[in-house]
Amino acid sequence: GENVEQHPSTLSVQEGDSAVIKCTYSDSASNYFPWYKQELGKGPQLIIDIRSNVGEKKDQRIAVTLNKTAKHFSLHITETQPEDSAVYFCAASILTGNTGKLIFGQGTTLQVKP
Amino acid sequence: NAGVTQTPKFQVLKTGQSMTLQCAQDMNHNSMYWYRQDPGMGLRLIYYSASEGTTDKGEVPNGYNVSRLNKREFSLRLESAAPSQTSVYFCASSHPDRPNYGYTFGSGTRLTVV
Repeated sequence: GENVEQHPSTLSVQEGDSAVIKCTYSDSASNYFPWYKQELGKGPQLIIDIRSNVGEKKDQRIAVTLNKTAKHFSLHITETQPEDSAVYFCAASILTGNTGKLIFGQGTTLQVKP
Repeated sequence: NAGVTQTPKFQVLKTGQSMTLQCAQDMNHNSMYWYRQDPGMGLRLIYYSASEGTTDKGEVPNGYNVSRLNKREFSLRLESAAPSQTSVYFCASSHPDRPNYGYTFGSGTRLTVV
């Protein structure tokens, strides 16, 4: 089955710097790669996602890149702000038919220092 | 508000006790999922239900049972709780007709088994 590895487990940056979180996946059939942000005491919230037919997607300060050949994808946050501090999860899925199970990475705790 | 509702939010059990975690969604989604979240391990899929009347095992099903009561409700039961089941449990739902299946998470149930 699918396996997703996420690095680093913790990341500390200064406000205004960029942050990059990387994930690798094992199943070449995976076609959907979302990123979730989780704040303390809350459920995961989708922040950006990408399908396998696209190499890059950007939404304001966040972007995701996908390299299907190498089977890895990355989250890029520019001009970080203290409110970006949270746990971030990557996931991979095969969206087909009636359901698409999400397989998650281990999570990255991002701390943005003012 | 439309979304996924989980009850209870917090629960403490003694080893060997049983309990049922409840989940309901009002988005007319077909598929529902139960995940558990443990430190450093991300979210792991316990069971899922692709559609009303069907259930399937995920990555870590041992010690759990599920019931898809109707299209809206998907419950998770611990028959004989063990300390290893101390975790935060998240319910989610999705539908193939929504953009990227419209995955939506509940706010979680924090369970402690003593």
